[in-house]
Amino acid sequence: EDQVTQSPEALRLQEGESSSLNCSYTVSGLRGLFWYRQDPGKGPEFLFTLYSAGEEKEKERLKATLTKKESFLHITAPKPEDSATYLCAVIRYRDDKIIFGKGTRLHILP
Amino acid sequence: EAQVTQNPRYLITVTGKKLTVTCSQNMNHEYMSWYRQDPGLGLRQIYYSMNVEVTDKGDVPEGYKVSRKEKRNFPLILESPSPNQTSLYFCASSWGGQNTEAFFGQGTRLTVV
Repeated sequence: EDQVTQSPEALRLQEGESSSLNCSYTVSGLRGLFWYRQDPGKGPEFLFTLYSAGEEKEKERLKATLTKKESFLHITAPKPEDSATYLCAVIRYRDDKIIFGKGTRLHILP
Repeated sequence: EAQVTQNPRYLITVTGKKLTVTCSQNMNHEYMSWYRQDPGLGLRQIYYSMNVEVTDKGDVPEGYKVSRKEKRNFPLILESPSPNQTSLYFCASSWGGQNTEAFFGQGTRLTVV
């Protein structure tokens, strides 16, 4: 069964303490992988799209990477405003079905 | 400002009373979709639409209807709501289908009693 698993479920970091969030996937053919950020009471907000293994994208303190089995969202020197739930989603190649992970709740302590 | 607008933001209703949640986007996107988000289950797709008059089922379509008569609007209809449809609902749009960046609405929190 195709699925997306995000880990950890929740993560608490001190401000400035770098870390990585993981998104592992099993899907029969990957068309693309997405990262979204979701703040409480709001809709998800697009961060990155990755299409092929080895691809990397960066935005401010965030860097997303992709392998054939998983993606990492690296957060460098995070700030309290980076606190949010980070969602990973994959698009299956054969029918463009989208599968979301359950998210990682990130809390950055000042 | 580019946005996806859902209404209402909050709704409490009774079992069996038909309701409609509206969704409108101002980006001229062809693709629109509806999701529900439940604790421990994540986002699950209900219906999607590739263009006007073209709709298709997602993962959890039972108990829901949609229509796409205009490009900008994609209402979600619950003909006979039940308590298991209590959830947080999101509408989203994108220019090029599932594999392009999606813009999400602010969400509609629905409670069915």
